[in-house]
This record gives sequence, C-alpha cells and structure tokens, in this order.
Amino acid sequence: EVQLEESGGGLVQPGGSLRLSCAGSGFTLSSHWIHWVRQAPGKGLVWVSRIYSDGSVTNYADSVKGRFTISRDNAKNTVHLQMNSLRAEDTAVYYCVRGGNYFDYWGQGTLVTVSS
Amino acid sequence: DIVMTQSPLSLPVTPGEPASISCSSSQSLLYSNEYNYLDWYLQKPGQSPQLLIYLGSNRASGVPDRFSGSGSGTDFTLKISRVEADDVGVYYCMQGLQIPHTFGQGTKLELK
Repeated sequence: EVQLEESGGGLVQPGGSLRLSCAGSGFTLSSHWIHWVRQAPGKGLVWVSRIYSDGSVTNYADSVKGRFTISRDNAKNTVHLQMNSLRAEDTAVYYCVRGGNYFDYWGQGTLVTVSS
Repeated sequence: DIVMTQSPLSLPVTPGEPASISCSSSQSLLYSNEYNYLDWYLQKPGQSPQLLIYLGSNRASGVPDRFSGSGSGTDFTLKISRVEADDVGVYYCMQGLQIPHTFGQGTKLELK
C-alpha cells in the first residue's frame, strides 16, 4: 500500500525555522516527483514546491522562494522541506504529495503554526 | 500564474440527484499531446484531498463511475450522476500544466 507520512510540524515563532520530512512506503520514492501543498486553517489548497525524482529539478511558489528549500534522500525514501524565516502566513497544514502533473497520493499532513 | 475559477462555491444537493461543478482556467490547459492538464480532487471532512479525475476525464483508481469529468481548453465540468452521503466535502480543480500548479477556490457539496 502506498503511503506518505509527514513529520516535523509544530509551533514556531516568526522568523524561526522548521524542517518537515516526508517518508514514503509501498513504492519507490526515487521514481516520482514529490510536491508539498499547504492549506491554511479553513482555506483552500496552495501548491508550495516540488522536486524531481533524482533531485535535479526543484520549483517553488513565489511566496516561499528564497525561504524554503526542498530536498530528497532517495536512499532513505525521504523528502524534506526546510522552512526558514517563517511568517504568520505560513501557518497551515503541509501535505506531502506524490505525482507529476496530477497528485495520486497524499499524506495526512503536518500542522505548522507560526506565532509568538 | 494560471487562475482557476470554480462555480458554484456552495452546492446543496438532494441524495440521489445529480450534481455538477464548473471550473474555468485563465489559459488553455490543452497541451500539444492532446491531454488537458486538469484534475479534480475531493477533500472529505477531516481528511486529506484525494484524486478523483486526472487529465480532464480519467477516473482515478477506485473512484465510482458516478463521477465523470469533461471539457477541454479552458472550461471543464465534474458531474456526479447520483449524489450519495459519502460524496460530501469540498471539491477542487487543479491545473497541472504550468508551475505553479494552481487550484480553484473549492466547491463545498452538502446534502439537503
């Protein structure tokens, strides 16, 4: 069974950092694009970032460019999202998602709260 | 960025009746390979989103045939032939053609 499990969320002060992780199981993570999509409380879905199967291509939403870094460790079947200079508007559930042009598997999400 | 616009934003439906959601994009989602890069997702209450329809009209694995997707270019429709209680939630369209991938605002389907 294909599964994606996020971890690393929590409460952080504005300007702080967090590192999210996404562990894949039931499939070969290294064969797939992996994305992060976030959802602020009571709001819709917003695409954040993606990384190619071998890590050679990464893309970011303008709102996080220069602050977030996506990376992957295929040997450990894991993708990471390093989030720096966090702002209140980054508060959201962050989903790890498998897919190229469409998203066929989603994790359960991890909540990031940026507040003093 | 490609702007995705859904209507209606709220959709009360009587169980057993059909339902339809529209999604329009600010640019054509039809690629040279003749695929429309438009997907539909359902987020049930308290759950993660799940893929319903990909590339405009293809049902994802395990999705009942009550769900169908149609359209091309900039105008798309998700239809549910007979709404069931399990269909309640928020439906999103998403364009997968360009980065950043962008979602519609969401359509909340509820039972009358």
